Amino acid sequence: ELKVEQNPLFLSMQEGKNYTIYCNYSTTSDRLYWYRQDPGKSLESLFVLLSNGAVKQEGRLMASLDTKARLSTLHITAAVHDLSATYFCAVDPSQGGSEKLVFGKGTKLTVNP
Amino acid sequence: NAGVTQTPKFRILKIGQSMTLQCAQDMNHNYMYWYRQDPGMGLKLIYYSVGAGITDKGEVPNGYNVSRSTTEDFPLRLELAAPSQTSVYFCASSYAGQAFTFGSGTRLTVV
Repeated sequence: ELKVEQNPLFLSMQEGKNYTIYCNYSTTSDRLYWYRQDPGKSLESLFVLLSNGAVKQEGRLMASLDTKARLSTLHITAAVHDLSATYFCAVDPSQGGSEKLVFGKGTKLTVNP
Repeated sequence: NAGVTQTPKFRILKIGQSMTLQCAQDMNHNYMYWYRQDPGMGLKLIYYSVGAGITDKGEVPNGYNVSRSTTEDFPLRLELAAPSQTSVYFCASSYAGQAFTFGSGTRLTVV
């Protein structure tokens, strides 16, 4: 059974600082997704990582995937208050692309002025 | 383009009652899903469908049923509601290998 673990689960940081959220998963997969959720809202897709070594960047967020280490990172550069949200990683456990994503518990990020 | 539409947004049920959560998408996606989200627990897959007429169980299917008679619609049926089904329910759709598009969610309370 695939397990997806995110660290940390809670992150409080100051504006302007850098930090990394980690997503580890327990079985082989080459598909990983990052989503953002604002309080009381739905989930919004941030990144789709489909191969080993994939790196994607959007604004102050950069995501990477190391399938050999079964690890993805979401790096935050010079955080701003608008980045405050919960971030989820999700992994597809099937080699054949069953699309049954397994989600981590989420990392609640709070960016303080 | 409406994306994924869920109704209702909120509902309070009494124990033992039944209801259907509606989900419709207008993007011609073949894959559709139902997840539930409990505080601090991430999202757990209830049921999913890879196309009209094809459905399969996810991680937590007990107490729920689905059907998919068309590409657009994927309703979730709760029979004999229990307090353990209090949760936020999200419907999503996608093409293979692409990110999910989520609906706005249904907040269900069973009392």
